[in-house]
Amino acid sequence: AQTVTQSQPEMSVQEAETVTLSCTYDTSESDYYLFWYKQPPSRQMILVIRQEAYKQQNATENRFSVNFQKAAKSFSLKISDSQLGDAAMYFCAYRSARGNEKLTFGTGTRLTIIP
Amino acid sequence: GAGVSQSPSNKVTEKGKDVELRCDPISGHTALYWYRQSLGQGLEFLIYFQGNSAPDKSGLPSDRFSAERTGGSVSTLTIQRTQQEDSAVYLCASSLGGFDEKLFFGSGTQLSVL
Repeated sequence: AQTVTQSQPEMSVQEAETVTLSCTYDTSESDYYLFWYKQPPSRQMILVIRQEAYKQQNATENRFSVNFQKAAKSFSLKISDSQLGDAAMYFCAYRSARGNEKLTFGTGTRLTIIP
Repeated sequence: GAGVSQSPSNKVTEKGKDVELRCDPISGHTALYWYRQSLGQGLEFLIYFQGNSAPDKSGLPSDRFSAERTGGSVSTLTIQRTQQEDSAVYLCASSLGGFDEKLFFGSGTQLSVL
């Protein structure tokens, strides 16, 4: 079974600075998808960024980028120029590309932005 | 609809009572998922529907939990004889289906069992 581990329960960053959230996963599959979701107090999960395992290039979405290390099974999220609106819970998630379509989530990292 | 809608937003019940949680997915989305989020935990998969069928119900924690989906649209998650450990946020998500499709989440139902 796949597992996703987020070892940082809480992180904080000064506004306009850069922060990196860590995620590792365990799988025996070679083809899969990795995701970062943001959950603000409204509880609605919002997709931040997605990475296909077969792509070597790291995904980027505006201020959000990932460092995907397939051999190390590591998938960190970097947030540049942090903004107050970035404060939320961030969840790393794994999804097989083989037919089991559920997402497996980590336990999350609570990100606080310091004005 | 414009997004995934869940009702009620909050539910308080007494131990031993049955509860029903509703999910209205985005129109046209064939895949529907239920997750449970306990305090301080990640999201725990409960069940997945493709159309009205549930090919994966491996996450349902006990036989007190059941779910159905009718007309390929609305889904209901039922918890019988609720226990205090059932207290959690129950999240629903839907997608067009297929491996590459984005999941859209609702805002969840906060269930509190007293």
